[in-house]
Amino acid sequence: NAGVTQTPKFRVLKTGQSMTLLCAQDMNHEYMYWYRQDPGMGLRLIHYSVGEGTTAKGEVPDGYNVSRLKKQNFLLGLESAAPSQTSVYFCASSYEGQDFSGANVLTFGAGSRLTVL
Amino acid sequence: LAKTTQPISMDSYEGQEVNITCSHNNIATNDYITWYQQFPSQGPRFIIQGYKTKVTNEVASLFIPADRKSSTLSLPRVSLSDTAVYYCLVFTGGGNKLTFGTGTQLKVEL
Repeated sequence: NAGVTQTPKFRVLKTGQSMTLLCAQDMNHEYMYWYRQDPGMGLRLIHYSVGEGTTAKGEVPDGYNVSRLKKQNFLLGLESAAPSQTSVYFCASSYEGQDFSGANVLTFGAGSRLTVL
Repeated sequence: LAKTTQPISMDSYEGQEVNITCSHNNIATNDYITWYQQFPSQGPRFIIQGYKTKVTNEVASLFIPADRKSSTLSLPRVSLSDTAVYYCLVFTGGGNKLTFGTGTQLKVEL
């Protein structure tokens, strides 16, 4: 059971380049999230998805796009990378079934470290 | 989403009990309280969740008073490996806009 897998783990970009981060989960979770974490900071929500084919903006969505074509995958794209997007990116997923009660518990990936020069 | 306040940092020694308190004065009736732990260069991982009174698992205990305006994460007999950042989240199931604060940096020394 792999849980949440992020690829790539490390990437260096030049300003203006584009790239896509892939998040895959094998737990059949409905909800998926992308966060960024800057040094000494907490996690800030970029975009999230409540199911296949749906996406929504989080706290800091500017400069990023996402897609959820398959339930198990959530892609984060940077169309024109900027140095301000240098960060560690975390993907997470959670269950939200009809029998759900309480607050959902997030399962996180190991992170993707992105440097934009 | 209920706003939470927790100490920025705490120091402890191996073998001691550590209590980290989180304030959430505007917690809603349906909100649950969840704590996560994050080690350097890793994603956060779930520690414990509760709604009221006391919850205990193999890792920690969570104490929630009757008014639910605060909660305390208790780590028994910490070790060096408990050095991490601890986040308190308060929300209802319906997982949109889940934001983390800066958390509490716990440092455990010999």
